[in-house]
Amino acid sequence: QVQMVQSGAEVKKPGASVKVSCQTSGYAFTLYDIHWVRQASGQGLEWMGWMDSNTDHTVYAPKFQGRVSMTRDTSKRTAYMELSSLTSEDTAVYYCVRLVRKVIVYFLDSWGQGTLVTVSS
Amino acid sequence: QSVLTQPPSASGTPGQTVTISCSGSGSNIGRNTVNWYLQVPGTAPSLLIYNDNQRPSGVPDRFSGSKSGTSISLAISGLQSEDEADYYCAAWDDGLNGWVFGGGTKLTVL
Repeated sequence: QVQMVQSGAEVKKPGASVKVSCQTSGYAFTLYDIHWVRQASGQGLEWMGWMDSNTDHTVYAPKFQGRVSMTRDTSKRTAYMELSSLTSEDTAVYYCVRLVRKVIVYFLDSWGQGTLVTVSS
Repeated sequence: QSVLTQPPSASGTPGQTVTISCSGSGSNIGRNTVNWYLQVPGTAPSLLIYNDNQRPSGVPDRFSGSKSGTSISLAISGLQSEDEADYYCAAWDDGLNGWVFGGGTKLTVL
């Protein structure tokens, strides 16, 4: 079955960077794009961007442009999301999610378990 | 402020039918299909409905979606206590070139 296993919780100081990993299994890694979504405590879901797992082409939400980097290691079937210049506003749970495309229909189906990133001085 | 609009809360008693609405615009719901996610607090969201009204395998037929123009509704029939969770709608937005979500609806089973 499809699995997305993320790295553990992180505590960072303001101004630092964090890199979250998402190790996948159960499907052909390069055939599916990986999206990243975050959720602050008690808040809704916020899309951050996506990466083509085959070509490593990326598209970032304007809010995170210049501060986020999404990469992958196909040999490890793993995607990464690095966010820099952290502030307390970045304290949230970060999710990696697989995108499924069926002709003109697409949806985010399999989610990682989430990685809590806490930014505190 | 979420791009898609959902009521913050909904409730019902066991066995009832509850409906959760999600309103968007021509650049998202009006042009693309909508997906619904269920999230039990403390866990990751899980796919409940895709392509407006399709259920992934394992999702009971008590859950259904209905779309009209730039709005969509999720109906849960035969409400059960285990349906208590947060529900989110999501759609691709052609103007923003990204996924947009509703703010979430907390469903309480009384």
